[in-house]
Amino acid sequence: GQQVMQIPQYQHVQEGEDFTTYCNSSTTLSNIQWYKQRPGGHPVFLIQLVKSGEVKKQKRLTFQFGEAKKNSSLHITATQTTDVGTYFCADEKTSYDKVIFGPGTSLSVIP
Amino acid sequence: DTGVSQDPRHKITKRGQNVTFRCDPISEHNRLYWYRQTLGQGPEFLTYFQNEAQLEKSRLLSDRFSAERPKGSFSTLEIQRTEQGDSAMYLCASRTGSGNTIYFGEGSWLTVV
Repeated sequence: GQQVMQIPQYQHVQEGEDFTTYCNSSTTLSNIQWYKQRPGGHPVFLIQLVKSGEVKKQKRLTFQFGEAKKNSSLHITATQTTDVGTYFCADEKTSYDKVIFGPGTSLSVIP
Repeated sequence: DTGVSQDPRHKITKRGQNVTFRCDPISEHNRLYWYRQTLGQGPEFLTYFQNEAQLEKSRLLSDRFSAERPKGSFSTLEIQRTEQGDSAMYLCASRTGSGNTIYFGEGSWLTVV
């Protein structure tokens, strides 16, 4: 079946450094969603990307959807300790359908 | 609090026992999802409902798992004859029929001993 992969699995950064996580699929992605899960918490929806080549920004977070809709990325500028958590991409096969999660990238920020 | 509510938050059970989890979605959210998550992994899709209709059930889910949403509001997830491999966090989520945002509950932790 379709698998969503993410790299890296773990990332440790110094506070103030940038961070990027990549989401890849061997098949065309439909709608990409990004979630953040704090340690001990539950996934929190961040954003949805629908169009090929789409770029969206939320303050220090920049989300991109690849031109071929087979990859996506999340970039955080100047990380803060509040950014700590696991970031998941998820593929929504059709609108309002189930979403299939990737394995996530765990971000640690060293103050 | 008007978020997705799950109960119980923690459950320890002996192998072979049955357990049931309840999820109360956000009011008027007609889509309801169940996921399972183990440490270090992403949420794994189990099943989802539109109103009271169960639209899809994961092929990975054994017959020991059953979910219902009898009146299109709250949902229950039952696991029969629990096994140690069932130990995980069971997450419920909901959204409207036209909204992108999926709201997750805080999860129900299951430990099978």
